[in-house]
Amino acid sequence: EVQLVESGGGLVKPGGSLRLSCAASGFTFSNAWMSWVRQAPGKGLEWVGHIKSNTDGGTKDYAAAVKGRFTISRDDSKNTLYLQMSSLKTDDTAVYYCTTDLAGFFYDSDNSRVMGGDYWGQGTLVTVSS
Amino acid sequence: DIRMTQSPSSLSASAGDRVTITCRASRSIDSSVNWFQQKAGKAPKLLVYAASTLQSGVPLRFSGSGSGTDFTLTITSLQPEDCATYYCQQSYWTPWTFGQGTKVEIK
Repeated sequence: EVQLVESGGGLVKPGGSLRLSCAASGFTFSNAWMSWVRQAPGKGLEWVGHIKSNTDGGTKDYAAAVKGRFTISRDDSKNTLYLQMSSLKTDDTAVYYCTTDLAGFFYDSDNSRVMGGDYWGQGTLVTVSS
Repeated sequence: DIRMTQSPSSLSASAGDRVTITCRASRSIDSSVNWFQQKAGKAPKLLVYAASTLQSGVPLRFSGSGSGTDFTLTITSLQPEDCATYYCQQSYWTPWTFGQGTKVEIK
């Protein structure tokens, strides 16, 4: 069974930092490009950024709203994705989801094709408030 | 950035009705569109990828169409369990961007 489990959310003051984790299981994490997507309370979905698989270079890309403040990383030995957030603003208040990247596909260990955006975590709430 | 303009923002229809949601991209994006369904308090679920390919396990009453700049998600016979918010998303060029969402309710 595929699982993506986010953790690390909570209440933080403006200007503070927080690190989110996303533990993956049930699929070949090292093959997957991974994204973070957020959703402010009562609002729509917003892509935060992604990281390619290490075999594809491990490069990262970010939305303009978080570039320079957020850093995505991965540890394939632990099947875990991270989102380091700093200089947090009240506008960063949202549920943060990790997901397989929202484009393309990757091959799982059984050669099955997994489409981008098919696997999502349950989300973790980050509240930035004084 | 590629802007995705989705309409309507909400709709109310009867069970069994045909429902259509449209999404327009600010520039041509070939067929690089995903459609997601999000139920209250839950993570999004992938329904359609590459504009018209139904993800495995998704009921056949859902279908997607379009290419270039104009895309459509259709539910041929609305069911009570289809109450949700639906989002289009372009996968042509980063930053990946979403439409504003369409909230579907049953009358």
